[in-house]
Amino acid sequence: DTGVSQDPRHKITKRGQNVTFRCDPISEHNRLYWYRQTLGQGPEFLTYFQNEAQLEKSRLLSDRFSAERPKGSFSTLEIQRTEQGDSAMYLCASSLMGSPLHFGNGTRLTVT
Amino acid sequence: TQLLEQSPQFLSIQEGENLTVYCNSSSVFSSLQWYRQEPGEGPVLLVTVVTGGEVKKLKRLTFQFGDARKDSSLHITAAQTGDTGLYLCAGGDFTGGGNKLTFGTGTQLKVEL
Repeated sequence: DTGVSQDPRHKITKRGQNVTFRCDPISEHNRLYWYRQTLGQGPEFLTYFQNEAQLEKSRLLSDRFSAERPKGSFSTLEIQRTEQGDSAMYLCASSLMGSPLHFGNGTRLTVT
Repeated sequence: TQLLEQSPQFLSIQEGENLTVYCNSSSVFSSLQWYRQEPGEGPVLLVTVVTGGEVKKLKRLTFQFGDARKDSSLHITAAQTGDTGLYLCAGGDFTGGGNKLTFGTGTQLKVEL
């Protein structure tokens, strides 16, 4: 069990650019979640997958955000036309149905 | 929208002191989890409570779930510098077969010598 892996750990981008983050969950976990966290606050739910199906998206999630989990294993989160307000830590978590979430160490995005 | 309010938001204490962190909501949750998060890392699960009135102990940490499953508390006895971190409560929503978590606003704890 190598845990949830996220890449990159840090990303600095200019406003208007697109960015993509990757999450590799714990191998046997069928559920994968994306959360966003700003400094000192609790994580905010963005979306989650069961296998390759995206089952729920937060209403707070802008159309500029898209997530995929094409083969039910790793997932990507893309942000198009980044804005300064997108600066945050993006956390990925995985789980089995009904079991606790295991979080990765996040990707910290800074939009300049 | 389910909201979880934590208090206090910040807490700075001396090693050896006791403290309690509160997590309150107007909504009922299927379960309540407590996490600790250190800078640059993801949250790490400390405990899950599922039954109203449940009390769980983890060494110097005592967790309680309210009878109505709307609130919870975390009590730390004889705090140590290693307890420093961001403490997060999270309510579990199992409607529709999901297990989405709604996180609280967080309590930043600093324990000094």
